[in-house]
Amino acid sequence: DTAVSQTPKYLVTQMGNDKSIKCEQNLGHDTMYWYKQDSKKFLKIMFSYNNKELIINETVPNRFSPKSPDKAHLNLHINSLELGDSAVYFCASSQDASRRRYNEQFFGPGTRLTVL
Amino acid sequence: GQSLEQPSEVTAVEGAIVQINCTYQTSGFYGLSWYQQHDGGAPTFLSYNALDGLEETGRFSSFLSRSDSYGYLLLQELQMKDSASYFCAVRAGTALIFGKGTTLSVSS
Repeated sequence: DTAVSQTPKYLVTQMGNDKSIKCEQNLGHDTMYWYKQDSKKFLKIMFSYNNKELIINETVPNRFSPKSPDKAHLNLHINSLELGDSAVYFCASSQDASRRRYNEQFFGPGTRLTVL
Repeated sequence: GQSLEQPSEVTAVEGAIVQINCTYQTSGFYGLSWYQQHDGGAPTFLSYNALDGLEETGRFSSFLSRSDSYGYLLLQELQMKDSASYFCAVRAGTALIFGKGTTLSVSS
């Protein structure tokens, strides 16, 4: 069984389009995340979310918005795509039970977004 | 804010031992984690240190010195499959802040 899944795996689109990436976790975790990994492999937090609170990295443009229909899902919507949005986007989840569990995050396979 | 420094590249041969260092600056410390990422793959959790000392998990060990804001990942009996990027990370709020990663290349 896949713990954290994302769709699609690859996404190629034109500048200015709006797209969504879906994420689901079947681990029963409390917190989900979106990370962006650029071409230099730098992993950067975009959002963290649990059923109580959404925390947004202040450097993330407001064209990006997370939406969580329920505890197991955290989707990422991107409006007006730009060339600089090309990257790999990873969804992740963790359990809130202890410090160790917070630090042990489970990542999805990633979505490679290419904006032309 | 938080920042982490680690070497960008390390090379070694099969069977050798390699140490990847990480120094960090953080306003609040909740432990140091290590992740492995193969090309084209997802980051996977390797280890977590909250207290000073060495944690061993098979061929991999991780060390932390809170007074020095320093940690390292030790990989023993290197295998070709260990060629990957290794990231140290500290927690900021509920999310992780990652170092820029160390690319380990293992040759035969």
